Amino acid sequence: GNSVTQMEGPVTLSEEAFLTINCTYTATGYPSLFWYVQYPGEGLQLLLKATKADDKGSNKGFEATYRKETTSFHLEKGSVQVSDSAVYFCALTDTGTASKLTFGTGTRLQVTL
Amino acid sequence: KAGVTQTPRYLIKTRGQQVTLSCSPISGHRSVSWYQQTPGQGLQFLFEYFSETQRNKGNFPGRFSGRQFSNSRSEMNVSTLELGDSALYLCASREEVTGSDGYTFGSGTRLTVV
Repeated sequence: GNSVTQMEGPVTLSEEAFLTINCTYTATGYPSLFWYVQYPGEGLQLLLKATKADDKGSNKGFEATYRKETTSFHLEKGSVQVSDSAVYFCALTDTGTASKLTFGTGTRLQVTL
Repeated sequence: KAGVTQTPRYLIKTRGQQVTLSCSPISGHRSVSWYQQTPGQGLQFLFEYFSETQRNKGNFPGRFSGRQFSNSRSEMNVSTLELGDSALYLCASREEVTGSDGYTFGSGTRLTVV
């Protein structure tokens, strides 16, 4: 079955530091890949997505590239802010059962001044 | 455009009771999915409805059920509540039928079973 593996958190960074959160996946076919973010007490917000190999999703300074050869979709940001503190989830939907999201376990990011 | 609306936001129930949660999707979105989020199990898929039909179902016992109305609003029901059903229940909607569009999530209903 499908699965998503994320790096364990929490990740603690100083403001303006570079962020990488690793995500690898297992899926049949050609899944669509997503990053969602969850702020305390809230639901999930779609951060970015990529639907085919070598696509780069980007939003609010965050980027992730769909790497089929390494089955990865790592999230990066050049300079984090305190307001980026949240839990980040990597997820996929496959082409067979496109109506279901499979999530990673989430990575908590804490950014300090 | 209004987002995905879930009601109620918080709920406290006693073991053995049943509960109904409601979700109003974004206008025009016909696909509605439900997820359970717990610290131990993370985010788990419950079921997905499209045009009033259940199209996909996760690995949850039959105590968990749902339905979708003609206006795309959805409800999920949990009968004979157990302590382990305490969780954040998230509803998500999507306009198109393909997987390439991301879901839009609501703020969730936090259910506590005592």
